[in-house]
Parts: sequence; C-alpha cells; structure tokens
Amino acid sequence: DAGITQSPRHKVTETGTPVTLRCHQTENHRYMYWYRQDPGHGLRLIHYSYGVKDTDKGEVSDGYSVSRSKTEDFLLTLESATSSQTSVYFCAISENRDRGHEQYFGPGTRLTVT
Amino acid sequence: GQNIDQPTEMTATEGAIVQINCTYQTSGFNGLFWYQQHAGEAPTFLSYNVLDGLEEKGRFSSFLSRSKGYSYLLLKELQMKDSASYLCAVRDGLLETGANNLFFGTGTRLTVIP
Repeated sequence: DAGITQSPRHKVTETGTPVTLRCHQTENHRYMYWYRQDPGHGLRLIHYSYGVKDTDKGEVSDGYSVSRSKTEDFLLTLESATSSQTSVYFCAISENRDRGHEQYFGPGTRLTVT
Repeated sequence: GQNIDQPTEMTATEGAIVQINCTYQTSGFNGLFWYQQHAGEAPTFLSYNVLDGLEEKGRFSSFLSRSKGYSYLLLKELQMKDSASYLCAVRDGLLETGANNLFFGTGTRLTVIP
C-alpha cells in the first residue's frame, strides 16, 4: 500500500470555525490531490498540487484553500466551515512515471460541521 | 460537461460472475480506471484501460470500448469480501501541469450473498 496518512481521521467542528486537514505521504510522489465524497456524488476534486508551493483549483474549490510547503505534506484549510462542507475528505497521490498515472488514496477524514 | 453513469446497486451470489457497467460522455479521453471501496475505507486501485479491449488481473477483468463510451468490470468467482462499492473514473486528459483530471461516477454498491 502507498504510504499516505491523513489527520485527523474524524473531526466535529462548529460553523464559522477554521479547520485544517493534513495529508502526509512517504512515496515522494509529485502530485497530490484533495477530494470530497458525498452521497449521490462521485469523488470531486477540490484542489491539487503539482509540486512544492504549486497548487491549482479543482471542480469544487470555493471555500477551501491549500498549501504545500514540503513534498510530503499537503494541507487543506476550510477558512470558515459551513454545514455544506460536512463530508468525507480523501487525499490522493500520483506520479506520472507509473504506467497509468493511477492515484492512490489516503484513509480519509470524516468532517462534521454543526 | 462530464457524465459518467453506473448502476447504483447490484446483488450477486457467492461463486458467481457479475458484470458492472460504466458509460461515459466526456470532452476528452485519456484512460479509464476502476476502484474498489469498502464501506468506511479508501478507494483502492483495481484496473486501468486506455486502449480498447480486455485487461485481466486475476479474478477481475476490465473491458473498454472507446467508440461506445463504455466499460465494464467483470468479477469472477465472487467472494463475500467482494461486497463493496466499485467506482468508475475517466481521465479527461492530463492538465497542463501534468496532473490527472479524473471524473468519478457515483459508484455501484455490490452485495454478495451466500
């Protein structure tokens, strides 16, 4: 299994508070991604990174920001959490030297905003 | 826009064969992935198709027809542990940064019964 960890694994927070989720990899992969998974929707890309300090927006980026100061760490921040951001968040990594450039996922963080 | 369709749920018997279909309409195509996701866990990579035809990997096979916008995942000799959701994902293309641009279906929940 790819070495990807996420922290925290579960979090309950109140509307309006800032929240930061962390993704850590030990594979030295160039690309890192943040997705959210909600019932009735497929995994949707929030933001991704293509190198240290290099990030870009995905399909559902509003209300989220990211940072990558080291190859191994990718942070997702909800500046002011809302109930619509209650979801399961997955980090993924990939490296285009692999045959299919497939993505490997972390264990997920279940976030509840009350 | 991107449209990826899969059946929501399927049930099959232990020891049998099941086929999970995926149809897609995307602006571009650069590969199709199948992932397995057990309840409460991360998606795990199963297969990758970029050319037409069948790719076999043990009990799992995946088929692609690009002209029909169609793929299926075939699971043979079903086991109880195969009860999971199966996610179809299409790579629309590589982003300018070289990162994946994946779009996921909502997943097919497979229940294997004795």
